[in-house]
Amino acid sequence: QITLKESGPTLVKPTQTLTLTCTFSGFSLSTSGVGVGWIRQPPGKALEWLALIYWDDDKRYSPSLKSRLTITKDTSKNQVVLTMTNMDPVDTATYYCALTKGATNYFDYWGQGTLVTVSS
Amino acid sequence: SYVLTQPPSVSVAPGQTARITCGGNNIGSKSVHWYQQKPGQAPVLVVYDDSDRPSGIPERFSGSNSGNTATLTISRVEAGDEADYYCQVWDSSSDLGVFGGGTKLTVL
Repeated sequence: QITLKESGPTLVKPTQTLTLTCTFSGFSLSTSGVGVGWIRQPPGKALEWLALIYWDDDKRYSPSLKSRLTITKDTSKNQVVLTMTNMDPVDTATYYCALTKGATNYFDYWGQGTLVTVSS
Repeated sequence: SYVLTQPPSVSVAPGQTARITCGGNNIGSKSVHWYQQKPGQAPVLVVYDDSDRPSGIPERFSGSNSGNTATLTISRVEAGDEADYYCQVWDSSSDLGVFGGGTKLTVL
């Protein structure tokens, strides 16, 4: 059974750095073709693709956020970490991590999401 | 960057067919994926690679893709299909993922 779960702070202050952890089970991020991505959704708005890390440590970032994002993996812990610097109230959103193992990079398993509010 | 355009809303009566479009420049050359999201829940993949269905997704959900438009078709719509639907592609030119703006399906 494949599961993913996001964890991290629910409230951060403007200018702070957000660190989110995705802990997963049921698959290995050392398996060829596998990747874990992060997607966010501001309240009442659309999904936004953020970043993706592959089994071989190849990484992709949204161009609009690339300067603020870092994605890393710890295969031994079955975790993927996303950091986002210089948080702003517009970054308030539910953040999801999700699994991709298809060549066309669709997300077939998602975590439940975690709501992060940016406010002083 | 690559842009996907969806209608904000689609309405359909129960038992009828709903068609949700996703427009993009030469989208027919890309693989399109569709997600269903109900309020307060994470998205669920309902169609991938234009027209394939994950296990557990009813045959009522189907997809097509040609030219500049991809379409998610939901046949014999049920009240439980009411949700937001998002298309997604992988933009090979930038090697990045892109989501559409989402379509709210209302079952009348």
